[in-house]
Order: sequence, then structure tokens, then C-alpha cells
Amino acid sequence: AQKVTQAQTEISVVEKEDVTLDCVYETRDTTYYLFWYKQPPSGELVFLIRRNSFDEQNEISGRYSWNFQKSTSSFNFTITASQVVDSAVYFCALKEGSGFQKLVFGTGTRLLVSP
Amino acid sequence: DTEVTQTPKHLVMGMTNKKSLKCEQHMGHRAMYWYKQKAKKPPELMFVYSYEKLSINESVPSRFSPECPNSSLLNLHLHALQPEDSALYLCASSLGRGLVEDTQYFGPGTRLTVL
Repeated sequence: AQKVTQAQTEISVVEKEDVTLDCVYETRDTTYYLFWYKQPPSGELVFLIRRNSFDEQNEISGRYSWNFQKSTSSFNFTITASQVVDSAVYFCALKEGSGFQKLVFGTGTRLLVSP
Repeated sequence: DTEVTQTPKHLVMGMTNKKSLKCEQHMGHRAMYWYKQKAKKPPELMFVYSYEKLSINESVPSRFSPECPNSSLLNLHLHALQPEDSALYLCASSLGRGLVEDTQYFGPGTRLTVL
């Protein structure tokens, strides 16, 4: 059965600190996708990244970077030089197989960035 | 443009009322989703429509009735709700080809309060 674990419930940092959000997943499929979404206080889930199970290259987008390691079933997300606008709940999610398999979400990590 | 719109933003209703939530997208997506999200929890899938046909119903009570009049529009009709149905209701859409890499894009949600 598939499962996503985000062990960090809440993280507090001061602006300009780097922060890493952990995501560990379980799946029996060899083909799957991992996602990160950001949910600011306004409520909308904002898509950040999608990564497939065959591509272990790390990805960087501005201050955001993602580290995918199949050996440890982890897909961690790092924000460099955090800003107050990064304050949100971040969800890691897993989708496996084909068809309309549902997104399996982790429980989310609340990030608070203070000035 | 990855925009999904939802109306209304907020809704307060009594247990005997009938109301509807509306979701719209103009990205040419053929799959649309309703999720329910309680405070401090991840979103939970309720329904999936594919090419205007209901393809997944996650055993949702009949007081929630989805409708997909066309490929751009998704409604959720509410009747005789309970206070525990108070939540953020999120709509999402995706290309809808049933592929594992299909990415869901979410709307801002409707915050529903049932009195």
C-alpha cells in the first residue's frame, strides 16, 4: 500500500535561514510520481514540482531545490534563504500506476518564517 | 495559465439549506476533482469526473451530489449537511488522460460552515 510520511509537523525559522522539509514514501510500484504542493493561508494548493520514479536528478528552481533518493525512498525539499512569503503548509504527495489513481498526501509540514 | 476558479469563497448554511459550489477551468482539462479538507489535515478525495462522467466516488454521503455539465464546469450540490461537513472544499483539474504523470491543479477553495 502506498503511504507518504512527513514527520515534521511544524518548522519555525528566521528569514534568510535555509530549511529542509522531509518526505518519505512507500510504494510497491516501479512507476510512480512524487509531487510537492504549497498551501498558503489563503487555502489554494499551489503545485510546485512533479518528479517521476525514473529520474533521480535533483532539481533547482530559484530558491527551491528537491533531492530525490530512491535508495532511501525520500523526496526532500529545501528552501534556501527563506522569506516570510514562504510561510505555508507544504504537502508531499504520491501517485502511482495509471488511470485515475488518487494522490496520496502526506500530513503536511507547516513552515513559519519570521522576519 | 493554470487557473481553476471556485465560487463562492465562503459559504455559511443551515442544515436544512440547499446550496451549490461551483468550479471552473479553461485549460482544456478533461478530468475534474472535488476534495474535502478539514483543518490541519491533508485533502481527501471525494469525486473524480473524467470526460464529464463520474469515474470515482470515494463513498461520499448522498447529501453531496456532484455534477459536471460540461468539460469546463464542475458543481457540488449540498443538501441537509451536518456541522461536521464544515471544511474547505477544493476543486482540481488535470489533463485527464489517465496517465500517472497527470498533474492536478487546484482552485482556491470554498470555506463551508454548516450551522
